Amino acid sequence: RKEVEQDPGPFNVPEGATVAFNCTYSNSASQSFFWYRQDCRKEPKLLMSVYSSGNEDGRFTAQLNRASQYISLLIRDSKLSDSATYLCVVNIPTSGTYKYIFGTGTRLKVLA
Amino acid sequence: GAVVSQHPSRVICKSGTSVKIECRSLDFQATTMFWYRQFPKQSLMLMATSNEGSKATYEQGVEKDKFLINHASLTLSTLTVTSAHPEDSSFYICSGLGAYEQYFGPGTRLTVT
Repeated sequence: RKEVEQDPGPFNVPEGATVAFNCTYSNSASQSFFWYRQDCRKEPKLLMSVYSSGNEDGRFTAQLNRASQYISLLIRDSKLSDSATYLCVVNIPTSGTYKYIFGTGTRLKVLA
Repeated sequence: GAVVSQHPSRVICKSGTSVKIECRSLDFQATTMFWYRQFPKQSLMLMATSNEGSKATYEQGVEKDKFLINHASLTLSTLTVTSAHPEDSSFYICSGLGAYEQYFGPGTRLTVT
């Protein structure tokens, strides 16, 4: 099983739609979870961290389900500018420290 | 947010030559830096974790003798691709680990001809 898995998509949705992505992780000792956004040929940018209690930032809501080992990202009222690849990142303990592993990414295309 | 720079941003080299990529944290000290590689239409794959003053930890399948990492100071890590081949052509991205998150460099696009 891969350490971090995502549905690659693409998700094609109309403007204004609500879309949700899931990301599963295999290591129950993981402590930190993030969603990043990557535009074509650019470096990834942090979208939001994911906290145990769930957190919201404007149109974006992130949730963590430790029991089932997945995190989710919900985007409400999609905009054309939301079109990008969304990557989940999970930290994995290793040799007394952590490394950060990316999921495969989910492509989102918001259509006019 | 914190800034990480990479140099060069783009490099084209001939097969068999070596290429060095620099990653600098400009406004914070990064004890730990990470090197990732991204092939077209794929996600970022962790190559190695670089810790200041010690040897890098390489991921399975990444040859440490081919991808030399040096993290000699708290603000600089370098990745040298030795004897580059066309299959090494990729987008290489570094990140520095700050207090709460990773800060990514803009990436280096390597093309080996």
